Amino acid sequence: DQQVKQNSPSLSVQEGRISILNCDYTNSMFDYFLWYKKYPAEGPTFLISISSIKDKNEDGRFTVFLNKSAKHLSLHIVPSQPGDSAVYFCAASETSGTYKYIFGTGTRLKVLA
Amino acid sequence: DGGITQSPKYLFRKEGQNVTLSCEQNLNHDAMYWYRQDPGQGLRLIYYSQIVNDFQKGDIAEGYSVSREKKESFPLTVTSAQKNPTAFYLCASSAAPGVTQYFGPGTRLLVL
Repeated sequence: DQQVKQNSPSLSVQEGRISILNCDYTNSMFDYFLWYKKYPAEGPTFLISISSIKDKNEDGRFTVFLNKSAKHLSLHIVPSQPGDSAVYFCAASETSGTYKYIFGTGTRLKVLA
Repeated sequence: DGGITQSPKYLFRKEGQNVTLSCEQNLNHDAMYWYRQDPGQGLRLIYYSQIVNDFQKGDIAEGYSVSREKKESFPLTVTSAQKNPTAFYLCASSAAPGVTQYFGPGTRLLVL
């Protein structure tokens, strides 16, 4: 039973346009969400996070939106750059006691020059 | 500077052999984790530890063992009971629930 799902395995976007990566979750107890970027043969790099008390968090070109009623979050990258080409993972956790994070299966983003 | 180190970068295992992957962090984080990534798949949790001398099984703990004798170290042993050990192994740490989890560079394990 996959508690965190990224239903799009891949996405291609033109340079300069917006990239939107989606993530759905099933556990209503999740209250902290993170996005990571990963290049092949390297560890994931933290991008941005959001707590369930917010519905939006921005950091430069990256914005994460959280829709708690739909159990859905999305990562927007504007403008997309070729260096953004990587696999993006969303992750979720319950902060009430466990240190455990559940990861999605990832979306491979390709930004075309 | 602070971070997480994993060694070796590549590791080869012979049939029936146990191998140990190293993970060290100098971030003073309480929690440490081991994940496995297979091609085209996400990160699956093997073991995690919230404090020294304590650890819990993740989703795919069979064939693996860990120890947490020091706060900064969380080695993972891939035992001969793990029948499909070829994968990319990632170590991570976090200071507390609700804060960011940081990853090491990973170790690729190959079976000869």
